Amino acid sequence: AQTVTQSQPEMSVQEAETVTLSCTYDTSESNYYLFWYKQPPSRQMILVIRQEAYKQQNATENRFSVNFQKAAKSFSLKISDSQLGDTAMYFCAFMNTRNTDKLIFGTGTRLQVFP
Amino acid sequence: GAVVSQHPSWVICKSGTSVKIECRSLDFQATTMFWYRQFPKQSLMLMATSNEGSKATYEQGVEKDKFLINHASLTLSTLTVTSAHPEDSSFYICSALAGQETQYFGPGTRLLVL
Repeated sequence: AQTVTQSQPEMSVQEAETVTLSCTYDTSESNYYLFWYKQPPSRQMILVIRQEAYKQQNATENRFSVNFQKAAKSFSLKISDSQLGDTAMYFCAFMNTRNTDKLIFGTGTRLQVFP
Repeated sequence: GAVVSQHPSWVICKSGTSVKIECRSLDFQATTMFWYRQFPKQSLMLMATSNEGSKATYEQGVEKDKFLINHASLTLSTLTVTSAHPEDSSFYICSALAGQETQYFGPGTRLLVL
């Protein structure tokens, strides 16, 4: 069974600084997708970034980038130039390409951005 | 693009009544939608997978007679909490599958059963 682990329950960062959220996963599959979702206080789940396991290049979306280490089964999220609006719960998630009806979520990391 | 709406955003009902929550994909068709439940300060718990034109697939421990799911069109799935009780109070979130791998989420529905 696949599992996703987020070992940092809470993180904080000062505005304009950079922060990295960690995520590790366990799977025997070779093809899969990894996601980071953001849940701000409004509780709306927002897709931040997506990575396909067969792509070696790390995904990037503006200030958000990932460090995908397939051999280590690690998928960390880097937020550059942190903004107050980045304050949210961040969930790492895994999807097996052979079973695309389920997202496996981590327990989340609560990120607080301070002015 | 990839916008999912949910209605109502919050609902308060009396114990024993039924509540229907709608989930719509506004700008894309979704043959598969999902229903989650989220307890305070916890991750999302998948309740069921809703497939257009067929019966929903429920996760272990989720009562299908309690949580009725209908996916009658490519843009609409509904979750009906039947004979709701206070323990059903929660935050319910739907998502819709765009393409083959990315789920886009609705804004959620807060249910309070008195």
